[in-house]
Parts: sequence; C-alpha cells; structure tokens
Amino acid sequence: ETGVTQSPTHLIKTRGQQVTLRCSSQSGHNTVSWYQQALGQGPQFIFQYYREEENGRGNFPPRFSGLQFPNYSSELNVNALELDDSALYLCASSLYSGSYEQYFGPGTRLTVT
Amino acid sequence: ILNVEQSPQSLHVQEGDSTNFTCSFPSSNFYALHWYRWETAKSPEALFVMTLNGDEKKKGRISATLNTKEGYSYLYIKGSQPEDSATYLCAFNSGGGADGLTFGKGTHLIIQP
Repeated sequence: ETGVTQSPTHLIKTRGQQVTLRCSSQSGHNTVSWYQQALGQGPQFIFQYYREEENGRGNFPPRFSGLQFPNYSSELNVNALELDDSALYLCASSLYSGSYEQYFGPGTRLTVT
Repeated sequence: ILNVEQSPQSLHVQEGDSTNFTCSFPSSNFYALHWYRWETAKSPEALFVMTLNGDEKKKGRISATLNTKEGYSYLYIKGSQPEDSATYLCAFNSGGGADGLTFGKGTHLIIQP
C-alpha cells in the first residue's frame, strides 16, 4: 500500500466544463507530480509541485493548473475541457523534488463527452 | 522530445517459464531509470530505480539490468506465476525530479496457467 489516494475514482464531464481532481500524498512526502495517461499511451508528465510551488512542467497548456496545500495534498484543475482530455490522471508523491522514488495513487478516470 | 520504447507490447507466457522484455531510452542526460508493475485497477507499484551503468537489481523472481551507454534496460521474470500478470512500465528521468518521468507504453504480460 503506497498511501497515495486520489478522488474521485471516476468522473464524467461535458466539453467546456471545468474539473478538479484531488490527491493526498504519502505521509512525509513534500513533492507531488501529476501524469495523464491517454488510452494506449504511457503516462505523460503534466507538472510537479514542491513545497506548494510549481517547479517543473511538461508539454501541457495553461488550462491545466494545480495547487499544493500546506499539508502537501494537491489538486489538478483543468479548464475548458476538451474531448481529448479524457484519460486516467495519476498523481505521484515523493520525499523531495530530486528523489528517485515516486509513489503513485490509483488514478482518476475522467471522461469528457 | 525524449523517446522511451518498450518491447514487446504484449506477451503471453506459460506458467513456470521465464521471460524478459526491453526498455530503450536516450543514452544522454541520464539520471535514473524506473521500472513499475501495474495491475488493473491498482496503483503502479515501484519495482526498481536504477541509476548507475551496469546496475543489476533483484526482487524475488524479478531482476533488471541497466546499460546507460547504449540506452537499454532488461527486466527478467524467472518461473512466471499467474500473479505476475500485469503491465510493466519503464520510465526515464533525465534531469532530476522536476523534469518528471518519461514513460514507455508498457509491456502487457499475461501468464497462462
């Protein structure tokens, strides 16, 4: 058991809407990363938060944004949803930003119709 | 754009047989290579993090080797069991934690009793 939890498990939204996904890090971890896994692909890095600041970002548009809270839990927000945003969203926590070990949650399945 | 390739895409193996699969990654700017095991509806589980050329790691019947100069890693499973059925993902880290992990598409392994 990794200790990383995500909510909700599944979500259905309509194109143009906004969505917030949540992640609770493993105890003691101050870094969280978010990944998107589209069907048939490997997970793709969205961004990373370290001590409440974004400190790394993949090739995703600004409508993908995040927050990290003082307890190191995190949110991923996606505005103006598009059909291609349908995917599994994974978060991973680690002990610090340069840590080798990343521990994943089970993911949130987002469907955009 | 970093490219991580895994082969084969899927694999059917008879229970008791041994098997192996490959991950290839860029040989420059290497920081770490990760292997994850991912069962359906569960969190990806970290198997190995490998950082040095020539690294060999072992966990029970599963082992991995790393060649950073030529950019490949092998994962071996000895005496496959039905519980080994899962998707095995490798992920390349080029610049420390803030760059995130670049994943391959995975090898889907099915062990047939």
